[in-house]
Amino acid sequence: GAVVSQHPSWVICKSGTSVKIECRSLDFQATTMFWYRQFPKQSLMLMATSNEGSKATYEQGVEKDKFLINHASLTLSTLTVTSAHPEDSSFYICSAPIQGNYGYTFGSGTRLTVV
Amino acid sequence: QKEVEQNSGPLSVPEGAIASLNCTYSDRVSQSFFWYRQYSGKSPELIMSIYSNGDKEDGRFTAQLNKASQYVSLLIRDSQPSDSATYLCAVSKPGNTPLVFGKGTRLSVIA
Repeated sequence: GAVVSQHPSWVICKSGTSVKIECRSLDFQATTMFWYRQFPKQSLMLMATSNEGSKATYEQGVEKDKFLINHASLTLSTLTVTSAHPEDSSFYICSAPIQGNYGYTFGSGTRLTVV
Repeated sequence: QKEVEQNSGPLSVPEGAIASLNCTYSDRVSQSFFWYRQYSGKSPELIMSIYSNGDKEDGRFTAQLNKASQYVSLLIRDSQPSDSATYLCAVSKPGNTPLVFGKGTRLSVIA
């Protein structure tokens, strides 16, 4: 149980275009979704926290106008990278807390390459 | 001081040996502690979770928590080449809070 499906698993886009990443909770209601970014040989860094029906909270240094997060339903949270640049190339992972047992479930990740 | 610290390694152990991975955390409010294994290009995979002081064993894995010392460790017995990966220590605070990850320790098990 507590599965988060993340799509796409990889995407290549041109500089200046936008890319949307979706995380869908399949068998539970995800009121909260955490979005992480991981650069090569580095750890997962929290970008933002989204809560269903409210504005996302962004970590210091993360541009909210560039990384648009929408959490319009209890089963879907999306991250849109707008006007992508090569430096946005990274591995993006979503994660949701599993209520009641202190655990977390992760999406499978999205490898974004901006060329 | 970083919130979660790990030695980045690489840590090399021979097949069949015990691998010992260590982690310290700075925030005493931290409540839940996790070890994840991550293969290159993949999402983290939960190995162990631990919430109270002491040892917790699951198969070849033992997690140890010492809240007074703010220290978490993971022991892998009978290490196998398939255990070669990056091991991430992660902690969370009470409530609906995100995991905070250490940099990860790269483990290499030599056949």
